Amino acid sequence: KQEVTQIPAALSVPEGENLVLNCSFTDSAIYNLQWFRQDPGKGLTSLLLIQSSQREQTSGRLNASLDKSSGRSTLYIAASQPGDSATYLCAVRTNNNDMRFGAGTRLTVKP
Amino acid sequence: GAGVSQTPSNKVTEKGKYVELRCDPISGHTALYWYRQSLGQGPEFLIYFQGTGAADDSGLPNDRFFAVRPEGSVSTLKIQRTERGDSAVYLCASSFSPGAGELFFGEGSRLTVL
Repeated sequence: KQEVTQIPAALSVPEGENLVLNCSFTDSAIYNLQWFRQDPGKGLTSLLLIQSSQREQTSGRLNASLDKSSGRSTLYIAASQPGDSATYLCAVRTNNNDMRFGAGTRLTVKP
Repeated sequence: GAGVSQTPSNKVTEKGKYVELRCDPISGHTALYWYRQSLGQGPEFLIYFQGTGAADDSGLPNDRFFAVRPEGSVSTLKIQRTERGDSAVYLCASSFSPGAGELFFGEGSRLTVL
């Protein structure tokens, strides 16, 4: 069974810092990996999708990498802003099409 | 529709009652997923539909939980004899195709069992 772990569970940084969120998974037989953002009391907003054949994806200040063989992904956020404060979730789609989530990293960016 | 729509957004019920939660996926999306999220946790997989059929229901916790998607579009998650431990946010997601498709989520239905 696929297990997804996110480290750290919580992170607090001053505005303007660059930061990295980590995601690891136990089974490298995946279709893709997706990073989401969740604001309190809200649903999940898709940030980046990386297919299993890809190494990274970029969108604005966000860059996600994937190392399938080692079971790791990172989400890099450049020049963080208070509006980036949210919980960031990593999810892995396995070969039987279900998607397994980590518990998330709760990010606080202080003005 | 423009996004995944879930109703009701909030549901409060008493222990032992029956509850239905509805999900209307993005038009044209063939894959539909139900997840359950408890406070401080990531979403937990419940069931996945491809078209009208449940392709994987291995995440349903017990036989009090059931989901249908009779016409391959709207899905209903049904919970019988609700228990306090069923309290959570139930999230629905859809994607254009299984496998490589990006997943889009609704805002969720918050269920509280008193």
